Amino acid sequence: DVVLTQTPSILSATIGQSVSISCRSSQSLLDSDGNTYLYWFLQRPGQSPQRLIYLVSNLGSGVPNRFSGSGSGTDFTLKISGVEAEDLGVYYCMQATHAPPWTFGGGTKLELK
Amino acid sequence: QVQLKESGPVLVQASETLSLTCTVSGFSLTNYGVIWVRQPPGKGLEWMGIIWRNGNTDYNSALKSRLSINRDTSKSQVFLKMNSLQTDDTAIYYCTRSYTYWGQGVMVTVSS
Repeated sequence: DVVLTQTPSILSATIGQSVSISCRSSQSLLDSDGNTYLYWFLQRPGQSPQRLIYLVSNLGSGVPNRFSGSGSGTDFTLKISGVEAEDLGVYYCMQATHAPPWTFGGGTKLELK
Repeated sequence: QVQLKESGPVLVQASETLSLTCTVSGFSLTNYGVIWVRQPPGKGLEWMGIIWRNGNTDYNSALKSRLSINRDTSKSQVFLKMNSLQTDDTAIYYCTRSYTYWGQGVMVTVSS
């Protein structure tokens, strides 16, 4: 199974600060169809996960454009350009290229400094 | 609009069988698959399995011997059954469509 490693596990930020989260895969996530099935989710405290980004860099419906995704192959990054209070929670990457099984990263907790 | 809602017992005894229902609305189970994901308290997300729109299933290999997912398309319901529960099966259990629409989750505690 594909292993996704997220760093850091905890990220402390002030409001307005820009931050990045890394997700590294044990295998290339480039599919034979040319797509890369890498997703990002945010889980706010006490809530279900919310999909932020699909196919590496596409923003989900209603997701603010301060969120951006990038990367290719095995290395991916989620960037938040100007953290807001509503962005606090745990971020997960997920791959679907080598699914089933779908696999998630271990999570990155974004907290206020 | 698309909605999913999990239901089932909140407390189960160890060694017994867990039965959960995901009731969906706003779409047909013959057009979309439904996935089960769980999350132990304070831990990350674990993919459990999927029932595809054609009724076929795939399971997490670590759970495959204990897990089954079925559905009743006429009732728009998907069923999860997992036997031989242990305390480390204590988790929030979510159903989701395409990882875009999620239920609110149901917290299941396995008591020894």
